[in-house]
Amino acid sequence: KQEVTQIPAALSVPEGENLVLNCSFTDSAIYNLQWFRQDPGKGLTSLLLIQSSQREQTSGRLNASLDKSSGRSTLYIAASQPGDSATYLCAVEGQNFVFGPGTRLSVLP
Amino acid sequence: DTEVTQTPKHLVMGMTNKKSLKCEQHMGHRAMYWYKQKAKKPPELMFVYSYEKLSINESVPSRFSPECPNSSLLNLHLHALQPEDSALYLCASSRGESYEQYFGPGTRLTVT
Repeated sequence: KQEVTQIPAALSVPEGENLVLNCSFTDSAIYNLQWFRQDPGKGLTSLLLIQSSQREQTSGRLNASLDKSSGRSTLYIAASQPGDSATYLCAVEGQNFVFGPGTRLSVLP
Repeated sequence: DTEVTQTPKHLVMGMTNKKSLKCEQHMGHRAMYWYKQKAKKPPELMFVYSYEKLSINESVPSRFSPECPNSSLLNLHLHALQPEDSALYLCASSRGESYEQYFGPGTRLTVT
C-alpha cells in the first residue's frame, strides 16, 4: 500500500527566502506526482505535475523534481512571498491516488 | 473555462435526510473524482469516473452513491449519513486518468 510523507510538517520563513519542501513515497511504481496548494477551507490548486518519465518541472518561481527510484520529490520555491502562505500537498498516482499530509507554510512580511 | 464548480457550498443535513452534491466542469475532461477531506487531514479518494463509468470505488460505504449522468456532471447522493461523515467534499476533473487534476472549491457538509 502506497504511503506518502512530507517534511517538514510546518515551516515559517521571512519573505524573500528560497525554500524546499520534501515529499517521500514508498512504492516507486507510479504514473505521476502532483503538487498542490490549499488555502484554509478551500479547494486545491494544482501547481505542477511530473510524469514518471520526467525528472523536473518548472512554473514561474516553482520547480519540482522527481527521483522515482529513491521515492522522493522536492518542491523548490524561489523568493518566497506572503501570498505563498498555504498548505502544500504532494499526491502520487499509482494503483490509486494518495496524498501526503501536507506542509503548512507561513511566509512572514 | 478552467473551472470546476460545486454546489451547494455548505450543507447541513440530519441523519435521516437524503441530499445530493453536484459537480460540473466544461473543460471536456473525461475523468471526474470525489474526495473527502476531514479537518487538518489530506483529501482521501472516494470514487473515480472515467468516460462516465465508475472505474474506482475506494470501499466507500453504500450511504454514499455516486452518479455521472454525462461527461460534464458528477453527483454524489447522500442517505442516512453519520455525524462522522461531516467533512469537506471535493470534486476534481482531468483530461483522463493519470492527467493533471483540477479541483472545485468543495462542499462543506455537516451531519447533525
